[in-house]
Amino acid sequence: EAQVTQNPRYLITVTGKKLTVTCSQNMNHEYMSWYRQDPGLGLRQIYYSMNVEVTDKGDVPEGYKVSRKEKRNFPLILESPSPNQTSLYFCASNTLWGGTSVEQFFGPGTRLTVL
Amino acid sequence: AQTVTQSQPEMSVQEAETVTLSCTYDTSENNYYLFWYKQPPSRQMILVIRQEAYKQQNATENRFSVNFQKAAKSFSLKISDSQLGDTAMYFCAFMKGNNNDMRFGAGTRLTVKP
Repeated sequence: EAQVTQNPRYLITVTGKKLTVTCSQNMNHEYMSWYRQDPGLGLRQIYYSMNVEVTDKGDVPEGYKVSRKEKRNFPLILESPSPNQTSLYFCASNTLWGGTSVEQFFGPGTRLTVL
Repeated sequence: AQTVTQSQPEMSVQEAETVTLSCTYDTSENNYYLFWYKQPPSRQMILVIRQEAYKQQNATENRFSVNFQKAAKSFSLKISDSQLGDTAMYFCAFMKGNNNDMRFGAGTRLTVKP
């Protein structure tokens, strides 16, 4: 089954404790992205990657890191989480077709709470 | 920078009726995609419909159709014969045609009443 998986699905942590949210896709997609969803703001892009070792900042990259060492994986790293990073996080992937991007496929979401 | 505006935070419709959700966007790009995504209580993001900016014909997917007005930068979603399972948050989204820069509106919470 074609899918994007994220782990963990739920996480409660404390300020300053480093954490990683993993994301993996099995569709051989070139593009992967991370978003955060907050009430009244919709989804905002944190980082995206157009291929292995190629990443770029989205709208709200502060406080986050990413890496793309393999095509299928795109982990999101919070080196020193703060309460304002409490949010619902989505990973997504999509492919190039005819030189243009098409719709993104989303993972199930990770609910993060930073105390 | 591209912006996406959904001016209706909440809407409701009776089962079997038709409802239209509004979306406007601002861009100087000529090559882009527009999407409507549905987010039910499960929080999963589900693609409803997609429109390529270079296509003049409005996209349709079963009971879902769009009214794409490129000059007006408007992209509304029409849901016909509304069903209880259509109850969800709906997000309008814009993507540039040459990279992965994707912008979402704030969402419209739709409730279908029996």
